[in-house]
Amino acid sequence: QQPVQSPQAVILREGEDAVINCSSSKALYSVHWYRQKHGEAPVFLMILLKGGEQKGHEKISASFNEKKQQSSLYLTASQLSYSGTYFCGTEGGNAGGTSYGKLTFGQGTILTVHP
Amino acid sequence: DSGVTQTPKHLITATGQRVTLRCSPRSGDLSVYWYQQSLDQGLQFLIQYYNGEERAKGNILERFSAQQFPDLHSELNLSSLELGDSALYFCASSVRGGPGYNEQFFGPGTRLTVL
Repeated sequence: QQPVQSPQAVILREGEDAVINCSSSKALYSVHWYRQKHGEAPVFLMILLKGGEQKGHEKISASFNEKKQQSSLYLTASQLSYSGTYFCGTEGGNAGGTSYGKLTFGQGTILTVHP
Repeated sequence: DSGVTQTPKHLITATGQRVTLRCSPRSGDLSVYWYQQSLDQGLQFLIQYYNGEERAKGNILERFSAQQFPDLHSELNLSSLELGDSALYFCASSVRGGPGYNEQFFGPGTRLTVL
């Protein structure tokens, strides 16, 4: 099942902060965050694993609530370059491990940063 | 530049035809993923290969097939093309196929237009 992202769109001025949420109805092993600019490939931002480990860009922070199957991406002191569509991708964590590697992406959150 | 290469960049063909999309993963990556991105369906996982073996399957039509070769490059074959197959096709690669840190790095994509 596709995770649900909120909000669908955010408009900011440079320097403002934003939070993008991702919610799943199923148990997750990990959550991945990507940013995509129009006509370009998605770019990896962050991966958060069940158990608390995470890895990603220094200027990006995120959280993963395993009990609620929710993740949030925190964008602080936004810059013009932050504009784009943000996707969360969720990786299921069934015991058989057959869904490892398979990402189900949310519908995306469009972030626009103005000067 | 993610290090993942995809060819061709653009492909225009007619309904009923067959095409092959090619992907070379980043050096050292063993896993390759194929995604389809269209305006109405978002980013959809198609299939994953790990070191030559199929690892996971998503919403891939029977008209579509893929394989990963011993040199780890992958090809996605689309046959009996329909207008609705027009989309951006992305290939991504990761060091491992999961679990753990399996962040995926996306290639620039192949834009397929079926007329």
